[in-house]
Amino acid sequence: QKEVEQDPGPLSVPEGAIVSLNCTYSNSAFQYFMWYRQYSRKGPELLMYTYSSGNKEDGRFTAQVDKSSKYISLFIRDSQPSDSATYLCAIPPPGNNRKLIWGLGTSLAVNP
Amino acid sequence: DAGVIQSPRHEVTEMGQEVTLRCKPISGHDYLFWYRQTMMRGLELLIYFNNNVPIDDSGMPEDRFSAKMPNASFSTLKIQPSEPRDSAVYFCASSSFLGDYEQYFGPGTRLTVT
Repeated sequence: QKEVEQDPGPLSVPEGAIVSLNCTYSNSAFQYFMWYRQYSRKGPELLMYTYSSGNKEDGRFTAQVDKSSKYISLFIRDSQPSDSATYLCAIPPPGNNRKLIWGLGTSLAVNP
Repeated sequence: DAGVIQSPRHEVTEMGQEVTLRCKPISGHDYLFWYRQTMMRGLELLIYFNNNVPIDDSGMPEDRFSAKMPNASFSTLKIQPSEPRDSAVYFCASSSFLGDYEQYFGPGTRLTVT
């Protein structure tokens, strides 16, 4: 079992839809959870992060962690064509290093 | 700051040739990461440096791959000899120990080996 699993999609939704992107992880010691967004032919950029459990909201984006289920989610409200990108979850493993364990990424297309 | 700079942006080469990818991290960052991205395998960490010293090269696929960081503002990833299966997008990223875990990525080098 991979440490972080993410359905690669692709996911196609109409403009204005609510989008749910998800990752599962296997190590209960993980504490810090990140979402990166990658536009076509660009490098990934950090979108949001959460620490431990609960929700974090930033505009139309909400990151949610369910540690009991080892499940993290990114919700996008009122999705826009400009949200079309690949979304990757990333988790730093415990320990004093700066590595990240990456999901495969989910490709999202928001259609006008 | 200009962000992480990578060159070249595109590289097309023939099998067996040597390829050198270059990276300039963000000034002041003390971690540098080299990644490879493909559709099938996603983003794979090849090697990372801390203060110019290689810390973990367990992701380097084989001896054909080597990476150096001679100073805080420059790193290279070399493939010799190159093979068609090395075709991928190679990213360099940097981060600061003073910050959180955020890594800042360059625009990538798209490598095609024919």
